[in-house]
Amino acid sequence: SAVISQKPSRDICQRGTSLTIQCQVDSQVTMMFWYRQQPGQSLTLIATANQGSEATYESGFVIDKFPISRPNLTFSTLTVSNMSPEDSSIYLCSVARAFGSSSYEQYFGPGTRLTVT
Amino acid sequence: DQQVKQNSPSLSVQEGRISILNCDYTNSMFDYFLWYKKYPAEGPTFLISISSIKDKNEDGRFTVFLNKSAKHLSLHIVPSQPGDSAVYFCAASATGANSKLTFGKGITLSVRP
Repeated sequence: SAVISQKPSRDICQRGTSLTIQCQVDSQVTMMFWYRQQPGQSLTLIATANQGSEATYESGFVIDKFPISRPNLTFSTLTVSNMSPEDSSIYLCSVARAFGSSSYEQYFGPGTRLTVT
Repeated sequence: DQQVKQNSPSLSVQEGRISILNCDYTNSMFDYFLWYKKYPAEGPTFLISISSIKDKNEDGRFTVFLNKSAKHLSLHIVPSQPGDSAVYFCAASATGANSKLTFGKGITLSVRP
């Protein structure tokens, strides 16, 4: 498995401000992802954090709103910019590790609970 | 359009009995499926996975069954224990999708002592 830590674990922010969430993994991984879980909803993929290149965003998510950095194979940051109450969610970092050609496991960090007032 | 569906929001089971958690999917490109357990204030914990080349995968008390023709999978927990009480998410991905997961909304399992 992989041990993943996130900072901060929670925060309460004012609308219009930005928050940067850090994700640290205990070993090098190729694939890192950022997910969001809004209240009462399932987890939704925001973007794939690519090391050495721009993140790949899913439909409905844009770089200006959710800039992502991936400076190396063990660390990534997600920034939630110009926040509004609709951004109140749990934000989760995730890594994938392949086993052979047909199976893999994906592990999640503990999440960052963001409340925007 | 929800591609992974967990239609029952909750399930209550007596300790020692079997828990059966169901999941349906609509995207025929999905060929890898995972189950996660999530406690409050924690991230999801990986439980078990299954590739579409199999119809069953077992790990201790957890067994996942896959019915490709019906686009249906289920997670069996036997015997159920009070510590199994959590939210269970079904997730799916397609080969070549770089491990991107599509999640269901989750089902809350309560195991009564």
